[in-house]
Amino acid sequence: DAGVIQSPRHEVTEMGQEVTLRCKPISGHNSLFWYRQTMMRGLELLIYFNNNVPIDDSGMPEDRFSAKMPNASFSTLKIQPSEPRDSAVYFCASSFGKGNQPQHFGDGTRLSIL
Amino acid sequence: AQRVTQPEKLLSVFKGAPVELKCNYSYSGSPELFWYVQYSRQRLQLLLRHISRESIKGFTADLNKGETSFHLKKPFAQEEDSAMYYCALSGGKGGTSYGKLTFGQGTILTVHP
Repeated sequence: DAGVIQSPRHEVTEMGQEVTLRCKPISGHNSLFWYRQTMMRGLELLIYFNNNVPIDDSGMPEDRFSAKMPNASFSTLKIQPSEPRDSAVYFCASSFGKGNQPQHFGDGTRLSIL
Repeated sequence: AQRVTQPEKLLSVFKGAPVELKCNYSYSGSPELFWYVQYSRQRLQLLLRHISRESIKGFTADLNKGETSFHLKKPFAQEEDSAMYYCALSGGKGGTSYGKLTFGQGTILTVHP
């Protein structure tokens, strides 16, 4: 298995633009997690899904952030409009959805908003 | 509520010295605990989990329920161990956590030559 696949690896865009981050989880995993990592705040859980259904989005910072999981093999995290303070590394992770099972992370998307 | 505390944001040691990265947790049930490692500009990788009771890259971690700790230890640090280390907790195989992990703030380990 290729592991969790995220795209793009890097994204540089101007503030106000829409940004879409993509994630393909490991086949067979039924939980998917979106994280944001910054130096100041560390690793933050934004939202997670189980069986394509959002379970907890309390970590989503603002209405400018939205996430979808239309099927078991694809999820998107969208920021519209983007702001410079959204600059961070965004990770996607997937797991079998059981507490004793580890999460597997993608390589992340390094987002820079100018 | 679940909480994971890593009291040291930065930890520096010399090559060959022992290293211990501290992790304390708060959880009322029976937790599952993990250590993840993130090398420079790479993805987070699972290093070890308490249920496996194994040694990975010379690292070990023992769950101490009395002290609610899961410290990561290595007797002789190597330069390639320099990385960010995260301790994480899950609410066990039951419940409705759906595999959600509560992460600590992370500890940056630097091993000097």
